[in-house]
Amino acid sequence: DIQMTQSPSTLSASVGDRVTVTCRASQSISSWLAWYQQKPGKAPKLLMYKAATLESGVPSRFSGGGSGTEFTLTISSLQPDDFATYFCQQYSHYPWTFGQGTKVEIK
Amino acid sequence: EEQLLESGGGLVQPGGSLRLSCVGSGYTFRNGPMSWVRQAPRKGLEWISAISGSGGSIYYADSVKGRFTISRDNSKNMLYLQMNSLRAEDSAIYYCARRSSGLDLWGQGTLVAVSS
Repeated sequence: DIQMTQSPSTLSASVGDRVTVTCRASQSISSWLAWYQQKPGKAPKLLMYKAATLESGVPSRFSGGGSGTEFTLTISSLQPDDFATYFCQQYSHYPWTFGQGTKVEIK
Repeated sequence: EEQLLESGGGLVQPGGSLRLSCVGSGYTFRNGPMSWVRQAPRKGLEWISAISGSGGSIYYADSVKGRFTISRDNSKNMLYLQMNSLRAEDSAIYYCARRSSGLDLWGQGTLVAVSS
């Protein structure tokens, strides 16, 4: 199975900060990577797919990059609504696997 | 509005069975591959099963293979997860989700608790 490793596990930041979350795959997944945002008590929400394609309706302050085994999710200017947990997920090979999550909290 | 709505969760004893259902609305259900994803309390997300739009291709995570069965009835816009031989570690919120590029539409989840 492909292991997905996110870093950091927790990120403390302030409104307006630029933040980056990293996701590493244990083997190449080309660009078959998605990012999700989850708030407490809610279902995950798709932010990005194919590593760098923004889902419809997602603010442009979110961006994604990378290919192969190294990927990033960047929020250019953190907004109050962005404090949440973020997960990466590979859909290159079954079984699909998720990263363990990165909690973005208020500094 | 496109929606997915799960049902069927509840409390079940170890070794028991449960069938989860998920109804899709607001879009052409038969066109979309579907998945089940679960999340144990205060834990991360775990993909557990997927099925193609026609139902002809099915995949499982090792953790549920041989115990869970995914199926769909496109005439009713329904997705199912039959869960047998349940264990305490199967306790989680179970989400159904549509695959477009990534999992782009999720239900609100249904809670399964396995305990004696």
